[in-house]
Amino acid sequence: AQKVTQAQTEISVVEKEDVTLDCVYETRDTTYYLFWYKQPPSGELVFLIRRNSFDEQNEISGRYSWNFQKSTSSFNFTITASQVVDSAVYFCALSDLYSGAGSYQLTFGKGTKLSVIP
Amino acid sequence: DAGVTQSPTHLIKTRGQHVTLRCSPISGHKSVSWYQQVLGQGPQFIFQYYEKEERGRGNFPDRFSARQFPNYSSELNVNALLLGDSALYLCASSFNGGRSGNTIYFGEGSWLTVV
Repeated sequence: AQKVTQAQTEISVVEKEDVTLDCVYETRDTTYYLFWYKQPPSGELVFLIRRNSFDEQNEISGRYSWNFQKSTSSFNFTITASQVVDSAVYFCALSDLYSGAGSYQLTFGKGTKLSVIP
Repeated sequence: DAGVTQSPTHLIKTRGQHVTLRCSPISGHKSVSWYQQVLGQGPQFIFQYYEKEERGRGNFPDRFSARQFPNYSSELNVNALLLGDSALYLCASSFNGGRSGNTIYFGEGSWLTVV
């Protein structure tokens, strides 16, 4: 069965510090997709990044970067020079090709609540 | 372009009542999925519809049902509400149900409180 573990329940950092959110996943499939979403208090899940299992290149987008390591089944997310607006709950999610009868649902971790203190 | 829209945004129901939640996907998207998110947890998959057919169902009781209309909008229905149904219900839209890792976009959700 698919599983996503976000071991950090809550993290607090002071503004301008760097912070890394950890994500470890389990799947039996060789083809799968990993996602990160941000959830502000309003509730909407905001898409941040998608990565497929065949692309282990790290990615940087502005202050955000992602480190995908298949060998350790991890897909960690780093925010550089954190800002107060980064405060939110961040979810890592897994979508694999053979989830159920033709469905491709996301399996989410429990989320990491990030608080950036001014 | 409009994103995923859901209605109502907030509602309060009494135990035993019925609720209908609505979702309009992003224009051009043919798949809608529903997720339930209880406080402090990640979203849990309820249903997926693609081209108006149910393509997947999560581990939820038969009190939960859904359908997708010809215009690809969708309704989630919950009968005989229980206190434990209190949650944020999220609708997700994708072009083809997430195949090939297509990005899945979410609406702002419907906050349901059962009293």
